[in-house]
Amino acid sequence: DAGITQSPRHKVTETGTPVTLRCHQTENHRYMYWYRQDPGHGLRLIHYSYGVKDTDKGEVSDGYSVSRSKTEDFLLTLESATSSQTSVYFCAIGTSGRTGTDTQYFGPGTRLTVL
Amino acid sequence: GESVGLHLPTLSVQEGDNSIINCAYSNSASDYFIWYKQESGKGPQFIIDIRSNMDKRQGQRVTVLLNKTVKHLSLQIAATQPGDSAVYFCAEMGDSSYKLIFGSGTRLLVRP
Repeated sequence: DAGITQSPRHKVTETGTPVTLRCHQTENHRYMYWYRQDPGHGLRLIHYSYGVKDTDKGEVSDGYSVSRSKTEDFLLTLESATSSQTSVYFCAIGTSGRTGTDTQYFGPGTRLTVL
Repeated sequence: GESVGLHLPTLSVQEGDNSIINCAYSNSASDYFIWYKQESGKGPQFIIDIRSNMDKRQGQRVTVLLNKTVKHLSLQIAATQPGDSAVYFCAEMGDSSYKLIFGSGTRLLVRP
């Protein structure tokens, strides 16, 4: 998994509770991404980061926030979890994301269930 | 493991045969394309990529073909093995974006 870890790997929580997922990389890559994967929708980008403290929204960012205080860690927070956020969450890393000579490498995923 | 798609198109091939997985992409301005393989319970794994200034690229047992005229991408797997059974996704990156847009995936089943 290209030096990417995600924690926790599994989590069950209740509607309305805050949840934070962590992505940690040992590759010193500049770009980090959070995706969710749902049946019928494939992988959809939630947020991404292009450097420490630099983040931007993806296509499904509502209800999520992110933070990146250091290169190796990218946190995804659900401020008040809803059942529609039950999903498998993947973190990915990339060096440039734009040159076309690079790609994104994915972590093992976190399965989140919101009851 | 996780289900990555309830109604994924499925390709069933005999072990040892060649497999061809197709993908239609949406943005004519996309200039970078990637194929990923995802096994049950795991994250997507990079297989091969191609830039828009190329129409073919080969890796180990895999070849990606790009037809920009019809916005079509294909992945060819030679001598398919049971370990190739997985869901395969294509992804595109546009010319003004750092973001990958993923296709919905194709499930490859390899019959022994």
